[in-house]
Amino acid sequence: DGGITQSPKYLFRKEGQNVTLSCEQNLNHDAMYWYRQDPGQGLRLIYYSQIVNDFQKGDIAEGYSVSREKKESFPLTVTSAQKNPTAFYLCASSIRQGSYNEQFFGPGTRLTVL
Amino acid sequence: DAKTTQPPSMDCAEGRAANLPCNHSTISGNEYVYWYRQIHSQGPQYIIHGLKNNETNEMASLIITEDRKSSTLILPHATLRDTAVYYCIVRVIATGTASKLTFGTGTRLQVTL
Repeated sequence: DGGITQSPKYLFRKEGQNVTLSCEQNLNHDAMYWYRQDPGQGLRLIYYSQIVNDFQKGDIAEGYSVSREKKESFPLTVTSAQKNPTAFYLCASSIRQGSYNEQFFGPGTRLTVL
Repeated sequence: DAKTTQPPSMDCAEGRAANLPCNHSTISGNEYVYWYRQIHSQGPQYIIHGLKNNETNEMASLIITEDRKSSTLILPHATLRDTAVYYCIVRVIATGTASKLTFGTGTRLQVTL
């Protein structure tokens, strides 16, 4: 089955530690995205990538880093510089070109920093 | 991208039509209206999109007013599984570029027995 996988579903880290969230897709999509969601809020864009080896900052990139070495993978690192890292993190992908760019979302990773 | 305004919550009886409104009075001519929904603790799911004509698919119908300043998402026969937060988003579609979406707080639809 084609889709997006994120692992793990729940992640706990101590304050001050960097943590990397995994996102893999087998939809052959060019574009991939990372969003953050806080309780009762909408999604906010962290980073996005239109093609391998290229990525751009979204609206709240500070304290985060990404890489796009393979088309299928877009890992997100939450660094110790991120002041409020506890949140629900969602990865998505889309066809880069087309009449509409529907985004397909993964199941999310809930990160809790203790 | 234009901003949208949605009611924070709505209720609907199971089996009835759920009509979710969205105001996008500052929409420009090349911006599309998208609807996504998010069931609790899951990733959002695409529902439907449109430019100016009414659209229908297996999940829902989208009615866009003639002046395009508002739209309504219609779930014709709501079920308990339709309980979710529904997001109305407007954005420009540009081929060859990643589709950045701006999510507001949406409408929380509660379907009841």
